[in-house]
Amino acid sequence: LAKTTQPISMDSYEGQEVNITCSHNNIATNDYITWYQQFPSQGPRFIIQGYKTKVTNEVASLFIPADRKSSTLSLPRVSLSDTAVYYCLVGPGGGATNKLIFGTGTLLAVQP
Amino acid sequence: DTEVTQTPKHLVMGMTNKKSLKCEQHMGHRAMYWYKQKAKKPPELMFVYSYEKLSINESVPSRFSPECPNSSLLNLHLHALQPEDSALYLCASSHGGSPLHFGNGTRLTVT
Repeated sequence: LAKTTQPISMDSYEGQEVNITCSHNNIATNDYITWYQQFPSQGPRFIIQGYKTKVTNEVASLFIPADRKSSTLSLPRVSLSDTAVYYCLVGPGGGATNKLIFGTGTLLAVQP
Repeated sequence: DTEVTQTPKHLVMGMTNKKSLKCEQHMGHRAMYWYKQKAKKPPELMFVYSYEKLSINESVPSRFSPECPNSSLLNLHLHALQPEDSALYLCASSHGGSPLHFGNGTRLTVT
């Protein structure tokens, strides 16, 4: 199973772009990279998933270099409501026999 | 709002009680998961069901007993729990290669 390493915490200010990097040195060929956001006392919420290069949706971008040993979640122009824990998961998507293991996560604190 | 519904939202139980946590989804997902999350820690995988059969048990103590009566429902039966079992219990579902969809959990307190 690919283990992930993220910074424990990050600070930012409203309106800034935030980049959170995740290391996954032993990622397997069939593994995807998925990011989740979690607010206190709520379940994690899917943000974005990718396999290689760049993926963008309405809330974030995900950058994956060619060797896929790391990935970067980019949140454009964060607001106070983006204060949350962000988790990077690596695994062969969701599925019946997949152990989707959460790493330690990154606590992002956005200040005014 | 979430498409995975967990009940109850909060539960307080004594160490000799028997209780059950319930999870329901109507997205047609065929994999369902139980995770346990302690304060300020990441969710820890407990069980995975695939097509209503238990496919992964992460060496969870037998005082936790999962059940999947049909493709939409997932239960977690609790008996003789310890105070250290107090946590947020999260249910999730997925299908094929889709990301996990989580409920908002049941906050369990064991007294």
